Parts: sequence; C-alpha cells; structure tokens
Amino acid sequence: GAGVSQSPSNKVTEKGKDVELRCDPISGHTALYWYRQSLGQGLEFLIYFQGNSAPDKSGLPSDRFSAERTGGSVSTLTIQRTQQEDSAVYLCASSLDPSGGVYFGPGTRLTVL
Amino acid sequence: KQEVTQIPAALSVPEGENLVLNCSFTDSAIYNLQWFRQDPGKGLTSLLLIQSSQREQTSGRLNASLDKSSGRSTLYIAASQPGDSATYLCAVLSDMRFGAGTRLTVKP
Repeated sequence: GAGVSQSPSNKVTEKGKDVELRCDPISGHTALYWYRQSLGQGLEFLIYFQGNSAPDKSGLPSDRFSAERTGGSVSTLTIQRTQQEDSAVYLCASSLDPSGGVYFGPGTRLTVL
Repeated sequence: KQEVTQIPAALSVPEGENLVLNCSFTDSAIYNLQWFRQDPGKGLTSLLLIQSSQREQTSGRLNASLDKSSGRSTLYIAASQPGDSATYLCAVLSDMRFGAGTRLTVKP
C-alpha cells in the first residue's frame, strides 16, 4: 500500500511569512510524528499524535510552531512568522502502534530566505 | 528522558569489509528498537525492527542485536558495498528518540 506522503516536497519562503506543511500517514496508522532535521544534524523531535489523546508537544521549539491532526489522519505543521533558522527538512512518520515500527515520509525541505 | 548515542559518528571502510555500528541508550525500559538508513537529501528507510523480547534480527547482509540489560544495540553489515554508503540511525521506540547517526562511506 501507499507509504507516508508529505507535501510540498520543497518550500521556499520569505522571512516573516507563515507556512503549512502537510503529512498523509499510512492508512490506519494511529500514531503520527513530526521531526526536524537541520543540515548535517540528527533528528529533532517536534510533536507526537496518538489516536484521540492529547498530543505530546514537548519538542516544539517555540510558540510559532503548531500542529494539528484532523480526523485522526492528515496532519498539518504550521510555522508562523518564519525565521531563517527554521530552514530544515521536516519529516513526518507514522506507525500502527509505537511498538510496531515507524515509517517515514520523504520530507519537506523548507528554505527561509 | 532517554538519551541515544551512536558511535562512531563517521566510518570509512574499503569495500568487502565487515563492520559494526553501535547504538547505546540510557533507559532499558524500551519497547523496541529500529534501525534506519538515510541517503543524502532523502527520508529514512527502515532496515530492521527488533522487538524488546528479541535479541536479534537479520535481513540479508544486515544483522541487528539488542541487549537491553546493557543498553546497547549493534548493527552488523557483512561484506560491505559502496551502495551501503549512507547515514545509519537507531531509534528507541518507547519515546521515539533518535541517535545522531553514523555516516558510513564504503570505498570501491
């Protein structure tokens, strides 16, 4: 079946603008994760959704970042008033349950000019 | 909070060598551990998933072991090939924390 998909694949924006990044998880997967990967760096956890539970937002770096998951499926990561340090690849992953393995999308490369 | 460490940070070997990548974690109360491969500019590809009740998993030339008591996992790559060149990451699935990765280069 289809894997995790993300859109857009690339996004170039100007400093101060808002951006929305989309993630479509594997159908039926109840867990969804967002990560950020800056150039040459490891994965930085941002936020985790599990079913209908309140999301784990402990990794969001500032209040400019927010995410929602509608209908337990598609998720949108929103970055308001983007800054140059927000430039990174944003990766989404989903799993059927936390113990069953996690599957990643191809990522969205965000460049803030 | 779980800390995941991968050693070495980078490794360069000639083609054909067998090699071991290391992953250590601080909290042994993990669900499972998963190894991934990341090619430059790409997303993560799952390689092996080790359930917490297992000690190892094998797929082709790859073998991953898990020792919860010592907080360690190793990824063994047999007969390395230039196509194995990538960054390898381990993730502890109890809280989805990743190591920083090992950047592997296999020279022809």
